[in-house]
Amino acid sequence: SAVISQKPSRDICQRGTSLTIQCQVDSQVTMMFWYRQQPGQSLTLIATANQGSEATYESGFVIDKFPISRPNLTFSTLTVSNMSPEDSSIYLCSVQPGHENEKLFFGSGTQLSVL
Amino acid sequence: GQNIDQPTEMTATEGAIVQINCTYQTSGFNGLFWYQQHAGEAPTFLSYNVLDGLEEKGRFSSFLSRSKGYSYLLLKELQMKDSASYLCAALDSNYQLIWGAGTKLIIKP
Repeated sequence: SAVISQKPSRDICQRGTSLTIQCQVDSQVTMMFWYRQQPGQSLTLIATANQGSEATYESGFVIDKFPISRPNLTFSTLTVSNMSPEDSSIYLCSVQPGHENEKLFFGSGTQLSVL
Repeated sequence: GQNIDQPTEMTATEGAIVQINCTYQTSGFNGLFWYQQHAGEAPTFLSYNVLDGLEEKGRFSSFLSRSKGYSYLLLKELQMKDSASYLCAALDSNYQLIWGAGTKLIIKP
């Protein structure tokens, strides 16, 4: 299993500013992911955070808007840059401690509201 | 394209049984997950099926038919705390998770 600490839990931000979300895991994990969940919708994968290399982004998401760091196997950050109200969402980090067909563990999420 | 379908919302009575269905179309298949998500919280793992059949885990059971691209989550002896969204997610050939939109389950006394 894995215990994930994600912060901040919520924030209210002004348009045009940036917010960095942190995710700390209690054990070393190979796979870390960042998801977005908009109100009433399911999870959308933003990117896979790769340790020591650039993140792998999904279609519709770009590094300039969502820069990701992964300095080691227990920590990652996601920055939401130049925010607009459309970025208001829950952002979740998740890890997959085991093999590729094993379950994900999720952080508690960051509720972001952009005014 | 890849797609997961599950009902948007279901209502059931405390103490009863409810079945939440999920159909999937993916490029290859490496298993199906069910997650529970209470309002304002992160999803938590419920079950994983990769072989056909029923997997029972306490009050919750999950069924898979690979030939039909179909799964269901069965919840027995419903409790008020079971009110949550239930997310179905299929793992494709690249081990990418394809998520359904979730089924909001409302439990009434």
